[in-house]
Order: sequence, then C-alpha cells, then structure tokens
Amino acid sequence: DQQVKQNSPSLSVQEGRISILNCDYTNSMFDYFLWYKKYPAEGPTFLISISSIKDKNEDGRFTVFLNKSAKHLSLHIVPSQPGDSAVYFCAASADDYKLSFGAGTTVTVRA
Amino acid sequence: ETGVTQTPRHLVMGMTNKKSLKCEQHLGHNAMYWYKQSAKKPLELMFVYNFKEQTENNSVPSRFSPECPNSSHLFLHLHTLQPEDSALYLCASSQGPRRNTEAFFGQGTRLTVV
Repeated sequence: DQQVKQNSPSLSVQEGRISILNCDYTNSMFDYFLWYKKYPAEGPTFLISISSIKDKNEDGRFTVFLNKSAKHLSLHIVPSQPGDSAVYFCAASADDYKLSFGAGTTVTVRA
Repeated sequence: ETGVTQTPRHLVMGMTNKKSLKCEQHLGHNAMYWYKQSAKKPLELMFVYNFKEQTENNSVPSRFSPECPNSSHLFLHLHTLQPEDSALYLCASSQGPRRNTEAFFGQGTRLTVV
C-alpha cells in the first residue's frame, strides 16, 4: 500500500523556467515532509523539508508548499538550471523517524 | 571522511553465494537504515536500527540478514538471493529516534543477482 505517490514519472522544463513537482499522500498521520534529489550512481540527498504546522517553506530557488486538506505537497524550483536535472523523491513521516517515499519524478532541464 | 559510506558500490553474485554489504556513518547519528530501491519503485524501508538495536523489520525475507555492531556501522548479509533481489541497496542514518529530522544516504550498492 503506497502511502506517498508521485504520479508524474517525468518532467521536462526549459532552463530558466519553473519546475513544479507534485506529491500526494494518503496517511493523515504524516506530519513531516521532505524532498530528496538523486543523481545517477549517487544516493539521495536531502533538499528541503516542511512541517505540518506550516504551509510553505522556502530555501533559495526551492519552495515547498503543503496543502494538508488536500493531502498534497509540491516542490517549486525557480529558475530551473541544468544541474537540477535529477530524480526527485517526496518523503513523509508520521510521529517517528521512518520515512515513506514516493517513486520519484525525473526532471530534465533543457538548455 | 564524512557522511555515509557504502561498500562495495557494485556487486554481482550468484544465487548460491554469500556476500555482505557494508555501511559506515561518520555523522554521530544513532539510527541507521537499509532501503531497497528497485527500478521505478519507491524506496522500500527494510530494516531500522536505533542505538544498535533493531527496531524495524519490514517483512524482509530471511535471506537478508542485518547486523549492527555499533552505532557507526551497519551490515547487510546476503545469502541464497533470487534474481528479483537485484536492486540498489541504500544505507541511511539520522539522529533518530528524534522526530522531524532528515536521513542522510550513502551512495548505494548496485546489486545484481545472476
């Protein structure tokens, strides 16, 4: 039973434009959400997180939005750069330290 | 050396072989994890250790056997694997069991079972 879903397996965006990645979850007990970025042949690296008490968290070019009523979060990258081409994983945890991951979205930034 | 280090990076083994994956973290974390990533699938949590004690076994077949001798080292012993066990095996660590903390991942071991 997949509790975290990333329904778009891939996204192609032009350099300089905005990338929007979406993530839906089913477990209403989730209260902490994270995005990870993964390059080929490397492990995932932490990108940005948000607690359920917030609806927005921003860090440089990366902003995560949380809509608890819709059980939906999104990651905005603006402006997109070629180095942003990677697989992005959404993850969530519920009152503990275990993370449930989505299947990932492959982002390709075109020059 | 800092972060989470996994060895080997690549491993090819026969179904009758016995091999071990190694993970070492230099972050002073208390919790360590094994995840499995199969193609186009979410990362699957396999095992969790907190302060060297196993706190989670996510219905993993007994052909996978974890070992955590101390809070900095984690092993995954493999024996009589099946071809469908071929995947990327990722080790991670975190402050744990504290809430709301991110996990740091190693680069993974790409395992191929032939």
